[in-house]
Amino acid sequence: QVHLQESGPGLVTPSETLSLTCSVSGGSISTYYWSWIRQPPGKGLEWIGYTHHSGNTEYNPSLKSRVTTSMDTPKNQFSLKLGSVTAADTAVYYCARVGESCSGNTCYSHAFDVWGQGTLVTVSS
Amino acid sequence: DIVMTQSPDSLAVSLGERATIKCKSSQSVLHSSKNKNYLAWYQQKAGQPPKLVFYWASTRESGVPDRFSGSGSGTDFTLTISSLQAEDVAVYYCQQYYGTPHTFGQGTKLEIK
Repeated sequence: QVHLQESGPGLVTPSETLSLTCSVSGGSISTYYWSWIRQPPGKGLEWIGYTHHSGNTEYNPSLKSRVTTSMDTPKNQFSLKLGSVTAADTAVYYCARVGESCSGNTCYSHAFDVWGQGTLVTVSS
Repeated sequence: DIVMTQSPDSLAVSLGERATIKCKSSQSVLHSSKNKNYLAWYQQKAGQPPKLVFYWASTRESGVPDRFSGSGSGTDFTLTISSLQAEDVAVYYCQQYYGTPHTFGQGTKLEIK
């Protein structure tokens, strides 16, 4: 069974860079797409972006200028960097796997089927 | 961006009764050539990450009780719980993955009456 675990600082200073890592166990990150999603306290969900070992990435345009994702295949981890943070970036950050359903030789990516527990990142001085 | 709008924002239903949550997208999420609706439903209990309930609008994720059903096509979708159980108390979100950015509804809080 695939398990995801986020790690990183819980407190980030305004204008600095938020850095998080998602460690994947029970499966290889060399398959599937992998995503970051965040949730401000008491609010809804916002998709940040996804990444694939092929190098294919896509980000939410609202964050694109500040976001970078990367993958470390030997460590079976993927990472998120969000620059120039403000208090508005305070949220629980989740990593998630993009599920796939296959019929014969054709597979389609679909929704987020495995999630980490999430990590609260507070932006404050 | 595709805007997802859920109704109602909150819902109180008696145990054993039916609960219905609606989700409307600002444009169709039906991929006509694949004949699939790129729509998912999630359940988020307090203090937990979201849990996938349905994808392709009506494909139940493994382990989800069959009292849950998903329906709809194009721009209008429904999540139904046929007989509400206490463990179903949660916030439910719809999400489209037809286009990027992937977007979520604002959530519907389901409680026991």
